[in-house]
Amino acid sequence: GNSVTQMEGPVTLSEEAFLTINCTYTATGYPSLFWYVQYPGEGLQLLLKATKADDKGSNKGFEATYRKETTSFHLEKGSVQVSDSAVYFCALSNTGKLIFGQGTTLQVKP
Amino acid sequence: DTGVSQNPRHKITKRGQNVTFRCDPISEHNRLYWYRQTLGQGPEFLTYFQNEAQLEKSRLLSDRFSAERPKGSFSTLEIQRTEQGDSAMYLCASRHPGLAGWTGELFFGEGSRLTVL
Repeated sequence: GNSVTQMEGPVTLSEEAFLTINCTYTATGYPSLFWYVQYPGEGLQLLLKATKADDKGSNKGFEATYRKETTSFHLEKGSVQVSDSAVYFCALSNTGKLIFGQGTTLQVKP
Repeated sequence: DTGVSQNPRHKITKRGQNVTFRCDPISEHNRLYWYRQTLGQGPEFLTYFQNEAQLEKSRLLSDRFSAERPKGSFSTLEIQRTEQGDSAMYLCASRHPGLAGWTGELFFGEGSRLTVL
């Protein structure tokens, strides 16, 4: 079946540190891949996406590259800010719906 | 506010009672989704509608759960004879039909939190 696995959290970093959140997937066919973010007290929102192998999605300084050979879509940011503290969800699209990973909590300390 | 609206935001009920949640999607979004999220987990797909037609239901959606979207606009999710295991955040999302295919973006509401005592 289709599934998404993310690294366990919480991830705690100091401001301006480098961030990586690992995500791997299992899927039939060629899904599109996404990162969604949930800020405290807010609904889930799309952060970035990639629709085919080797595509790089980017937004707000975050990047992720669709790696078909390793079935991965790791999220990276070169310098995190306190305002990036949130829960990050990796997801794939399948037959018109999204399948999410379990989420990774990021806490950035000043 | 033109986002996805969910009501009530929080519902506390006793085991065995029925509860109903309402979702008002973004205007003109023809697809509407329900997800369930428990603490420390990602959203789990429950069901989705295209206009008023319910196109897919997850095996998570037991016989006690029913969802409707009678006029293709708002949707309701009813849980009958609630159990403590039903305690979760129930998320609603909607999307635009998309002329060139779906971009993958769903617009989520803030959720309705259910606590079953």
